[in-house]
Amino acid sequence: GQQLNQSPQSMFIQEGEDVSMNCTSSSIFNTWLWYKQDPGEGPVLLIALYKAGELTSNGRLTAQFGITRKDSFLNISASIPSDVGIYFCAGIMNTGFQKLVFGTGTRLLVSP
Amino acid sequence: GAVVSQHPSWVICKSGTSVKIECRSLDFQATTMFWYRQFPKQSLMLMATSNEGSKATYEQGVEKDKFLINHASLTLSTLTVTSAHPEDSSFYICSATDTSGYEQYFGPGTRLTVT
Repeated sequence: GQQLNQSPQSMFIQEGEDVSMNCTSSSIFNTWLWYKQDPGEGPVLLIALYKAGELTSNGRLTAQFGITRKDSFLNISASIPSDVGIYFCAGIMNTGFQKLVFGTGTRLLVSP
Repeated sequence: GAVVSQHPSWVICKSGTSVKIECRSLDFQATTMFWYRQFPKQSLMLMATSNEGSKATYEQGVEKDKFLINHASLTLSTLTVTSAHPEDSSFYICSATDTSGYEQYFGPGTRLTVT
């Protein structure tokens, strides 16, 4: 099935550092979502983006919906150990029908 | 609010047997439920979409006779893996949308190991 390309694949950073990851697609999406998944659990929604160019924050997290509607990025500022996990972007092509296409994931490790 | 549960959280079964996984929306009515499969260190791949009272729509490459989905009520969907084989071992995650269809709420996942 279709997947979105995420980079980097993994990151190992020190606590307090800022993190940036992005997600690209060859197709246009009308909605972009960012999820975090802890080991052995389902993904949890972090941020939802609904308009091209939209920049949205949720605490230390900031995400943007690319102007071309083919990409999105997620920034995490001042990382803490509990930020450890796998971050997935996901896109929805058609509004009103929630069929998600997930990205390949970015594994984040934070050392105290 | 918007809690989705799955049962069991993990299951081990022998090759050739069938196993049923339940997905429940605890505090909302789920008009649409989705089933995903996630292999180790990989992303979530959508298997099928089900609407209450109608047949599930399967993604390309997913065998509908092997992965039976029943969405009999607005709070329950089940996935039955029939004649399971070791290659079916995976993490199965369900999600659900409410009547607004606005957000997809994910369950905690079920780890299936076929020996």
